[in-house]
Amino acid sequence: DTAVSQTPKYLVTQMGNDKSIKCEQNLGHDTMYWYKQDSKKFLKIMFSYNNKELIINETVPNRFSPKSPDKAHLNLHINSLELGDSAVYFCASSQAPVGETQYFGPGTRLLVL
Amino acid sequence: TQLLEQSPQFLSIQEGENLTVYCNSSSVFSSLQWYRQEPGEGPVLLVTVVTGGEVKKLKRLTFQFGDARKDSSLHITAAQPGDTGLYLCARRNTGKLIFGQGTTLQVKP
Repeated sequence: DTAVSQTPKYLVTQMGNDKSIKCEQNLGHDTMYWYKQDSKKFLKIMFSYNNKELIINETVPNRFSPKSPDKAHLNLHINSLELGDSAVYFCASSQAPVGETQYFGPGTRLLVL
Repeated sequence: TQLLEQSPQFLSIQEGENLTVYCNSSSVFSSLQWYRQEPGEGPVLLVTVVTGGEVKKLKRLTFQFGDARKDSSLHITAAQPGDTGLYLCARRNTGKLIFGQGTTLQVKP
């Protein structure tokens, strides 16, 4: 019954590796997001997709590449991981772009060593 | 940039105490949302306020939107350990949500 799910919950990897995080929502929403929460708990949007189309790209390094195979899924692939990529990454969804309510997943805790 | 400043940044209180956290901006915003994020979880929307001077209540939580729509406050009455978490305010801006840096609340039994 999970509304927005992410995998994995924890990810520990070495610098320079490539990794992916997956997100799925079963709410029937049209819009999905990726957020990054840093060590100071600051939550900042990275990307937004509406019906599989990219609508927001917040000056994120091009090592980060989102992919939306369908409107229920939004994955995040990160190339050449750096120490500064360590953070918690949240997926979210809403009915419409910046809809009234955004529903967040449980987060993926990424640690780059 | 139209930043949201939250205060205090950290708050540690005893069960049963009252508290207020604030969210301020130098800009007027059309609406403001409050989220609570429990440890190890994602943020969950508590309320949206849209009208200047609006007051909304959610059990022991009272949310107020400033008359000039530049600030908001969240008051918790008789705090309980279950209120522990990170409280985030957010505003909508050109198709995205902008979050404040949050207030971390710890309520000790």
